[in-house]
Amino acid sequence: DVKVTQSSRYLVKRTGEKVFLECVQDMDHENMFWYRQDPGLGLRLIYFSYDVKMKEKGDIPEGYSVSREKKERFSLILESASTNQTSMYLCASSLGGQEQFFGPGTRLTVL
Amino acid sequence: QQPVQSPQAVILREGEDAVINCSSSKALYSVHWYRQKHGEAPVFLMILLKGGEQKGHEKISASFNEKKQQSSLYLTASQLSYSGTYFCGTDSGSARQLTFGSGTQLTVLP
Repeated sequence: DVKVTQSSRYLVKRTGEKVFLECVQDMDHENMFWYRQDPGLGLRLIYFSYDVKMKEKGDIPEGYSVSREKKERFSLILESASTNQTSMYLCASSLGGQEQFFGPGTRLTVL
Repeated sequence: QQPVQSPQAVILREGEDAVINCSSSKALYSVHWYRQKHGEAPVFLMILLKGGEQKGHEKISASFNEKKQQSSLYLTASQLSYSGTYFCGTDSGSARQLTFGSGTQLTVLP
């Protein structure tokens, strides 16, 4: 059974903290994605990666960075968390242009 | 730029039909459809490739008009299990990334 896992379902951080969100997939997919989901705005792409050590900006990369040191793992980093980064974060992976498999999401609250 | 989905929300009775539309301002290579139930991750329904292909998945089917840069999702004889938020994701040729619409919330009542 294919699987995308995320390190936490819920996370509460303080403004200014450095935050790491981890995503692991077991399907040997070359593409991995980070989205944030906010009510009424749908899924917005933050960053994606199509190979190890490769990354590309999505539509809303400001305030975020990513790391992909291994094919199966894609990390999202908030260098200095702010309250406007409170959101649901979804990780996904895919093979080529095929369907994307999503993780369960991390609901991040920044106080 | 995000594709535009319509309607934003729809309420149906079990057994009724619904259509969800997705429209883009860019030329499209493919369109994906996903459904997200409350508290769960989005799940893939189908992909439509350039060529006006129509696909089906149980009583859910979709069409893709590449000239109009539009796709429509058809839900026939809705079941309670169809409730959720439906997203279209469009690919303008990268074959890697999708741009998702803001979603259509579908509620099926008994």
